Amino acid sequence: EVQLVESGGRLVQPGGSLRLSCAASGFTFGNYAMSWVRQAPGRGLEWVSAVSGSGHNTHYADSMKARFTISRENSKNTLYLQINGLRAEDTAVYYCAKGGAEFDHWGQGTLVTVSS
Amino acid sequence: EIVLTQSPGTLSLSPGERATLSCRASQSVSSSFLAWYQQKPGQAPRLLISGASSRATGIPDRFSGSGSGTDFTLTISRLEPEDFAVYYCQQYGSSPPMYTFGQGTKLEIK
Repeated sequence: EVQLVESGGRLVQPGGSLRLSCAASGFTFGNYAMSWVRQAPGRGLEWVSAVSGSGHNTHYADSMKARFTISRENSKNTLYLQINGLRAEDTAVYYCAKGGAEFDHWGQGTLVTVSS
Repeated sequence: EIVLTQSPGTLSLSPGERATLSCRASQSVSSSFLAWYQQKPGQAPRLLISGASSRATGIPDRFSGSGSGTDFTLTISRLEPEDFAVYYCQQYGSSPPMYTFGQGTKLEIK
């Protein structure tokens, strides 16, 4: 059974940094592209970033390029998202999702709240 | 950048009725790269349809997808109580890799 478990979300002050993690199990992690998708409270889904199975290729939504860094550690079956310079508008549930053209499995999400 | 516009914003129907949800793209989208998701309150999205018309594993056959080019449709043939949720369409563009979601359609009980 595929499982994706996010962690690392918490209350952070504006300007702070955070690293989110997603622990994967139930599939050959290194064979699949992975993404982060976020959802602000009461809003729709917004793709943040994707990384290839090898980790060599990364892609970002235009508005995310400057402050977000995606990475993966295939030996640990773990996906990461580093967020710097956090802003109030980054407040959201952050999901990790498995897949290339579409996302066939999602984690339960981790909540990031940016507030002073 | 491709924009996906879903309509209606909210759809009010009764169990047993047929639901038709629309997703329109600002430019042509490959059918291979159009997907639909269902999201219930407090839950992660669930993949329903990929490649515009292929049901994901375990998805009941009352869900069907169709369309091509700029116009895509998700149809739920006979609504069950558990189908009332928010539905999103999503497209994937490969050069460069980018994903876009529609704003969602809320399907509510009438």
